[in-house]
Amino acid sequence: KAGVTQTPRYLIKTRGQQVTLSCSPISGHRSVSWYQQTPGQGLQFLFEYFSETQRNKGNFPGRFSGRQFSNSRSEMNVSTLELGDSALYLCASSLGFGTGYNEQFFGPGTRLTVL
Amino acid sequence: DAKTTQPNSMESNEEEPVHLPCNHSTISGTDYIHWYRQLPSQGPEYVIHGLTSNVNNRMASLAIAEDRKSSTLILHRATLRDAAVYYCILRNAGNMLTFGGGTRLMVKP
Repeated sequence: KAGVTQTPRYLIKTRGQQVTLSCSPISGHRSVSWYQQTPGQGLQFLFEYFSETQRNKGNFPGRFSGRQFSNSRSEMNVSTLELGDSALYLCASSLGFGTGYNEQFFGPGTRLTVL
Repeated sequence: DAKTTQPNSMESNEEEPVHLPCNHSTISGTDYIHWYRQLPSQGPEYVIHGLTSNVNNRMASLAIAEDRKSSTLILHRATLRDAAVYYCILRNAGNMLTFGGGTRLMVKP
């Protein structure tokens, strides 16, 4: 079974631009979560989607948004990029939503560099 | 959110057991204790989780204190492949994971 895939793997943008990152969960998984990892702040939760609905949201500004499609694939968008948005963006998938679905599977991440 | 406290780093010799501690004194009754690890240049990987009882799986064992205010991840025989950052996380709803700083485990041959 293929793992979580994220595209693109690397991205370079300039300040003020916007970016869209894509995540394909493991086949059969219906929940997708997004995380940002930086050397200074570590791993921080962005948001979680299940059945095309956002279920949880972390403490990030409105420039960060996401969505989930009917096939469970998810995208996240960052508008008006700032230098501080440079990070590794990780996507994780899980079978479902709730404490009964315990294991999350992480993708390799998208490395975003903002110049 | 309930927080966890872990040592910044630990060292172990290859083939020896490793005990990674985690304090979570503000844990609530519905919080599950999860452990993930992140190998260099990879996304985090699930290791084990538990609620009240000790747990074992093919990767590790999780020992949970009776009052649930602390737990210990046990790697029975450390290998060089186990060198990673280990995160102890409390989870109570949905799939949101709140990562702390983690413990960087170094394994010496």
